[in-house]
Amino acid sequence: GIQVEQSPPDLILQEGANSTLRCNFSDSVNNLQWFHQNPWGQLINLFYIPSGTKQNGRLSATTVATERYSLLYISSSQTTDSGVYFCAVEGSGTYKYIFGTGTRLKVLA
Amino acid sequence: NAGVTQTPKFRVLKTGQSMTLLCAQDMNHEYMYWYRQDPGMGLRLIHYSVGEGTTAKGEVPDGYNVSRLKKQNFLLGLESAAPSQTSVYFCASSYGGGVPYEQYFGPGTRLTVT
Repeated sequence: GIQVEQSPPDLILQEGANSTLRCNFSDSVNNLQWFHQNPWGQLINLFYIPSGTKQNGRLSATTVATERYSLLYISSSQTTDSGVYFCAVEGSGTYKYIFGTGTRLKVLA
Repeated sequence: NAGVTQTPKFRVLKTGQSMTLLCAQDMNHEYMYWYRQDPGMGLRLIHYSVGEGTTAKGEVPDGYNVSRLKKQNFLLGLESAAPSQTSVYFCASSYGGGVPYEQYFGPGTRLTVT
């Protein structure tokens, strides 16, 4: 089955810093999503981005499907950005999303 | 709209007991999913459904059964709970005619099996 790898596994930032999170996948995908799991365990949709670039406030994402990776950019980080960021991909015709193991982000005040 | 809701939010079971987790969605989504999340890990797919009356196995289906008798509900059953099933269970739904496969998640059910 499709493999999803996220890097880095852990990241500590000072408030105001920028960061880039990466998601690599091993096969072609139909769909890709980025989620933020907050410290209370809630999963929040950030981007649905099977290809191209999207922006939402301080966050943006880019997926290059032909090269099998996606990037999540966080600018001017805030303490409320802390949590775990997951990438999830759906392999072609499978109907199933496979999750990466996540990047755990801690933003220090 | 409530989105995706899960019942119960917390549960403690003894080994060998049974229980059913309920997931409900009010977005008229065709697809529904059950995942488990173990500490420090990502989500793993247990079972999923692509429509009313259909179910299929995911990555980790052993020890679980599911039913989708109504489009808006997806039930996850544990017939004989084991300590290895201690986890947080998430339900998700997708595909309502708009953005096709964007998943929306419920708040989770924390299950402890002693």
